[in-house]
Amino acid sequence: KNEVEQSPQNLTAQEGEFITINCSYSVGISALHWLQQHPGGGIVSLFMLSSGKKKHGRLLATINIQEKHSSLHITASHPRDSAVYICAVRSNTGNQFYFGTGTSLTVIP
Amino acid sequence: EAGVTQFPSHSVIEKGQTVTLRCDPISGHDNLYWYRRVMGKEIKFLLHFVKESKQDESGMPNNRFLAERTGGTYSTLKVQPAELEDSGVYFCASSQERGPTGADSPLHFGNGTRLTVT
Repeated sequence: KNEVEQSPQNLTAQEGEFITINCSYSVGISALHWLQQHPGGGIVSLFMLSSGKKKHGRLLATINIQEKHSSLHITASHPRDSAVYICAVRSNTGNQFYFGTGTSLTVIP
Repeated sequence: EAGVTQFPSHSVIEKGQTVTLRCDPISGHDNLYWYRRVMGKEIKFLLHFVKESKQDESGMPNNRFLAERTGGTYSTLKVQPAELEDSGVYFCASSQERGPTGADSPLHFGNGTRLTVT
């Protein structure tokens, strides 16, 4: 079983819809990262958080440390949001990072 | 600032050959990580450098993989001899040293090297 589980694996939405991607983890962490990878592109770090929530534009990331769960929300989705979104956690017992398998998001115009 | 750069972006080699991947982290970043993603699976940690020292290499799959970071600047990852199962995308990431309270620094990723072993 992977240390980080994401859901859904694939998501198709109409432009303008509100989107939520979930991440659950089983290890103690010092930080959780949300990453974005466009097709054929590199990985971009969207958020790094260890508590509470962070907002950047139409994106909001929340984390519940007690429940070991994080969510990434996209408001008013746009086709350019189409990408793979990856949740990654840094273990608090070392320097290991664990990655989810990613959520492939397609936003249709 | 310049981001993390990786070279080459693509490499196609035959089984048994040698390939060397290079990663140039962001200047001043002590932490350098190598990861790889094989087809259809999640990104897996390979190893972590702090400056020129290997902090954690528990993710290295076997002794065909050798990573170096001489001088604590750029890093190389050599695969010798390459096998079919080594195909995948190899990512490098860097971050600054953790703060005095142990707070994390953001990870900055390179675009990856797509390795195909035929």
